[in-house]
Amino acid sequence: RKEVEQDPGPFNVPEGATVAFNCTYSNSASQSFFWYRQDCRKEPKLLMSVYSSGNEDGRFTAQLNRASQYISLLIRDSKLSDSATYLCVVGGGFQKLVFGTGTRLLVSP
Amino acid sequence: DVKVTQSSRYLVKRTGEKVFLECVQDMDHENMFWYRQDPGLGLRLIYFSYDVKMKEKGDIPEGYSVSREKKERFSLILESASTNQTSMYLCASSIAGERDNEQFFGPGTRLTVL
Repeated sequence: RKEVEQDPGPFNVPEGATVAFNCTYSNSASQSFFWYRQDCRKEPKLLMSVYSSGNEDGRFTAQLNRASQYISLLIRDSKLSDSATYLCVVGGGFQKLVFGTGTRLLVSP
Repeated sequence: DVKVTQSSRYLVKRTGEKVFLECVQDMDHENMFWYRQDPGLGLRLIYFSYDVKMKEKGDIPEGYSVSREKKERFSLILESASTNQTSMYLCASSIAGERDNEQFFGPGTRLTVL
């Protein structure tokens, strides 16, 4: 079983749509959780950290469910520029991060 | 603005060659990491370092070695390149702390081994 599992997609949505991604993780001891964004042929960049209480940054909302060991990302009012691969990332202990393989999002006009 | 740089964006080498990939960060971060990224497999950790002269094996260290002589520089070495090492190589750095902190990535080196 992979440590971090995501649906690879692609998710094809029209502009303005709301889209949600989930990921599950296997290490119940993990303490840090993130969503990274990776554009085609670019490096991953932090989109947002995920806190136990949930957090929101503009159109983006992240939630953590420790009991079920899953993390979600909700994107409201999708823009063309949101097209990218979204990586679910979990702290692996000893300063390491474990990356999911990513969910690809395509937003069309 | 945080900055991680890698010596080459694209590199083509022949089987058996020794390959050096350089990474430099200007954020005074203690931790540095080398990953490779392949379609369907995501980012896999090759080696990491908590401090100068320190190195730890990641999940796939075979065929690789590293060097960290200065805090800001972390080098990945392919002793004898093979075709299965064709990949995108990403360097990252992070600040030390009790939690697993955000990592900042360089732009990547796309290595092709012929």
